Amino acid sequence: KAGVTQTPRYLIKTRGQQVTLSCSPISGHRSVSWYQQTPGQGLQFLFEYFSETQRNKGNFPGRFSGRQFSNSRSEMNVSTLELGDSALYLCASSLEGGPLMNTEAFFGQGTRLTVV
Amino acid sequence: AQSVTQPDIHITVSEGASLELRCNYSYGATPYLFWYVQSPGQGLQLLLKYFSGDTLVQGIKGFEAEFKRSQSSFNLRKPSVHWSDAAEYFCAVGALRQGAQKLVFGQGTRLTINP
Repeated sequence: KAGVTQTPRYLIKTRGQQVTLSCSPISGHRSVSWYQQTPGQGLQFLFEYFSETQRNKGNFPGRFSGRQFSNSRSEMNVSTLELGDSALYLCASSLEGGPLMNTEAFFGQGTRLTVV
Repeated sequence: AQSVTQPDIHITVSEGASLELRCNYSYGATPYLFWYVQSPGQGLQLLLKYFSGDTLVQGIKGFEAEFKRSQSSFNLRKPSVHWSDAAEYFCAVGALRQGAQKLVFGQGTRLTINP
């Protein structure tokens, strides 16, 4: 079966702009989590969506938001981009969500965002 | 607070040699532990996971890890590495913090293989 698909793979934006990233989870998976990966901070949890509801949220400013559609596809939006938002954004899908629920998270290849 | 420490930022081993990547965690309850591998420009692939039971866990690609509660460690091992194992390896703990379930990752260990 198809894996987790993230689009686009690469993106270049200017400071102050906004950006939307997309994630299509594995068919049948209802949980989608987003992570930011940077050389300095490593992998950090952004938020998780389950059945169209944000269930969990990390410690990121309100400029970072997301949503999930009825087909479980998720989008992440970053407004008023800053240079420090340059990162690899990874999406992970799982059946029921949450590592404490004893299910595996499958990651996409990520979207590389560069803010100039 | 839950945290994961990978003491080695970069390790170089020769092809065919054995490998051990270290991981220490801090978590109040029984942890859910994971090892992921990331090749350049790629996402994360799960190598193995520990939820409960046998403390020696077998994973894909010939990797194994041992959970040692007394040492708060979950080290990854492979008896003989292949050039294709060159990648970055991340240890993670499944954490419950303020009602939020998420993966808390270590900083990663970059593995280089000498031919």
